[in-house]
Amino acid sequence: QEQLVESGGGVVQPGGSLRLSCTVPSFISKYSFLHWVRQAPGKGLEWVAVISFDGSKIYSADSLKGRFTISRDTSKNTLFLKMTSLSADDTAVYYCAKSSTMSTSPFDHWGQGTLVTVSS
Amino acid sequence: EIVLTQSPDTLSLSPGESATLFCRASPLVTTNYLAWYQHKPGHAPRLVMFAATSRASGIPDRFSGSGSGTNFTLTISRLEPEDFAVFYCQQYQGTPRTFGHGTRVEI
Repeated sequence: QEQLVESGGGVVQPGGSLRLSCTVPSFISKYSFLHWVRQAPGKGLEWVAVISFDGSKIYSADSLKGRFTISRDTSKNTLFLKMTSLSADDTAVYYCAKSSTMSTSPFDHWGQGTLVTVSS
Repeated sequence: EIVLTQSPDTLSLSPGESATLFCRASPLVTTNYLAWYQHKPGHAPRLVMFAATSRASGIPDRFSGSGSGTNFTLTISRLEPEDFAVFYCQQYQGTPRTFGHGTRVEI
C-alpha cells in the first residue's frame, strides 16, 4: 500500500522554526483532506491541523496558539507544516494522515513520521 | 471537545488469548464516528476499525468493534504475534479530532 512520506524533521533550537513536508501519492491527493498528527516521547497521538483538498478550509488545534501553519501544494501533491516559536514541548514524531472528508471519516492512510527535536 | 478515556493502560496476554479494549467518550459520540488504530514503534499507525463496528480494509475478522454513544470496545480474538501493539481510539465527529491515550497490548 502506497503511503504518505514525511520529511524535514531534525534538531532545532528553542524559539526556532522548521517546515515539514509530506509527499502524498497522486491517487490519494485529489479531493482528500490532509492532517498533521504528532506524538511526543512516551505520549499518545495528538491531532494538530487539517486542510481541505483545495486549501479553502483549515482548522488547527487551539493549543498551538497560531504557531503552526498547515498548507498544501496540490500541483506537487505535497502537504506542509510550518512551525514557529518552537519549545521542548513540541518535540515529537510528526505524522501526516489522510481522510476523505473534513470531519466524518477516519484516517485511512498515514506516513511513518518525521522526528522533530527541540533542544539547545 | 470530546475526551476519550481508554482502559486498561496495558494488557499482558499470550498468543491465542483474547483482548478486550475499552474507550469511553465524554461527551458522547452521537454519530458513532469512532475509530481504532494499531500503532507499532517506527511504523505508521494503521486503521483497524471505523464507525465503531466496521473493519478497515485488510483487517482480519478476529478484530471486532462494538458500542455506541459513550462506551466503545475493540475485541481481538485469538491474538497473533503481529497483533501486539498500542491501540488508540479516535473520534471524528468534528474538530478537534481527539484520541485516547492508548492501550498497550503486550506479550
